[in-house]
Amino acid sequence: GENVEQHPSTLSVQEGDSAVIKCTYSDSASNYFPWYKQELGKRPQLIIDIRSNVGEKKDQRIAVTLNKTAKHFSLHITETQPEDSAVYFCAPRGDRGSTLGRLYFGRGTQLTVWP
Amino acid sequence: AAGVIQSPRHLIKEKRETATLKCYPIPRHDTVYWYQQGPGQDPQFLISFYEKMQSDKGSIPDRFSAQQFSDYHSELNMSSLELGDSALYFCASSSNFNSPLHFGNGTRLTVT
Repeated sequence: GENVEQHPSTLSVQEGDSAVIKCTYSDSASNYFPWYKQELGKRPQLIIDIRSNVGEKKDQRIAVTLNKTAKHFSLHITETQPEDSAVYFCAPRGDRGSTLGRLYFGRGTQLTVWP
Repeated sequence: AAGVIQSPRHLIKEKRETATLKCYPIPRHDTVYWYQQGPGQDPQFLISFYEKMQSDKGSIPDRFSAQQFSDYHSELNMSSLELGDSALYFCASSSNFNSPLHFGNGTRLTVT
C-alpha cells in the first residue's frame, strides 16, 4: 500500500499570511494528488487536485505543486482568512490493480488562522 | 448540483446490535467508496464497489459487510457492534477510477 506523511500536523498563521502543507508518498505509481478540507464534524471537501503530468495548478488563493521525482506535493494557501481554519488532508491515489481508485489519506494538518 | 446522500445522519446503537448505513451516489456515478473516521483521525478506507461488484477491500472488520445494488446505491451492514465502532462513516462516489471522489455528509454512529 501507500505510505503517506503530511507535515506539519498543526499550523497557526496570522490572517493574510501564507500557509504551506507538504505531503510525501511512497508509491511511485501514484498519479492523482488531491487536497481535502474538512471542518469539524463535516465531510471532506475537495479543494484542489493535480495529476501526474502537471507540475503546478492554481485556483485563486489555493495552489498545489507536485514533485514526482521526490514523491511529494504541497498545498499553498495565500492571503489566509479565518474561514480557512480547518483540517487539511492530502490523499494520493494509486494506479495499481486491485487498489485502483482508493485514496490514501495523510494524518491531516490542523490549520488555524488568527484574525 | 446533486451530491452524495447518506442516511441516517445520526445513529445510536448498543453493543452487540446491528446497524445499516445507506449511501446514494451522485447520479451516473458507478463507483462507491466507504471510509471510517474516528475522532481526530484521518479517514480509513473500508471497501469500494464498481458496477455492483466489490472492487477493493481495506481495513473492514469481518463483522461488517457491504454491497452495491442495481440502482448503484450502497449499504454498509455492521453487526455485533463494539464501542470502538463509534465513528463517522463517509461514503464517496466517483464517475470512474480516474475521477475525483465526492463525499457525502456522513453518518455519525455512536455505540453505547
